[in-house]
Amino acid sequence: AQRVTQPEKLLSVFKGAPVELKCNYSYSGSPELFWYVQYSRQRLQLLLRHISRESIKGFTADLNKGETSFHLKKPFAQEEDSAMYYCALSIQGAQKLVFGQGTRLTINP
Amino acid sequence: DTGVSQDPRHKITKRGQNVTFRCDPISEHNRLYWYRQTLGQGPEFLTYFQNEAQLEKSRLLSDRFSAERPKGSFSTLEIQRTEQGDSAMYLCASSLTNSEAFFGQGTRLTVV
Repeated sequence: AQRVTQPEKLLSVFKGAPVELKCNYSYSGSPELFWYVQYSRQRLQLLLRHISRESIKGFTADLNKGETSFHLKKPFAQEEDSAMYYCALSIQGAQKLVFGQGTRLTINP
Repeated sequence: DTGVSQDPRHKITKRGQNVTFRCDPISEHNRLYWYRQTLGQGPEFLTYFQNEAQLEKSRLLSDRFSAERPKGSFSTLEIQRTEQGDSAMYLCASSLTNSEAFFGQGTRLTVV
């Protein structure tokens, strides 16, 4: 079965420090990986997807098929990055997203 | 706001009652999804429509749950004989084929 694991429920870092939110997945085929973000009182929105290989709001994520990971990174955290972050997997040919449990990121001033 | 719209935003109901939620997708989006999110968990897939056809249903969707998208536009999700375990946030999302899914703000259901 497909599964997404985010080992940290809570992550707290200081402003200006590097951030890494971990995501591991289990799927034997070729997955498509996403990071979604939910800011306070806002709807869930797409942050980035691995196929686009973009940097959004300073965040990047690299798909590592050997380690089945898709960690989200930012070199210098900002206070506005405080939010709930969800890693998600989509199976090729399927339409649903499988989400991890989420990591609440808090950036301290 | 031209995004995905869900109504109502909050619903409190007594156990055993039926409830119905509505989702209005982004105009021209042919795909519509329902997810459920309980406290401390990520969203879990319930069902998916391509236009008016319901193409996939999760085993989470018991016989008490039914979803429709009669004209390929808005969708409704009905829960019959609600149970306390149905208390959750119900999220709707829409997309074009093979494109980003846009989420609504959700309907929070509390069964008392």
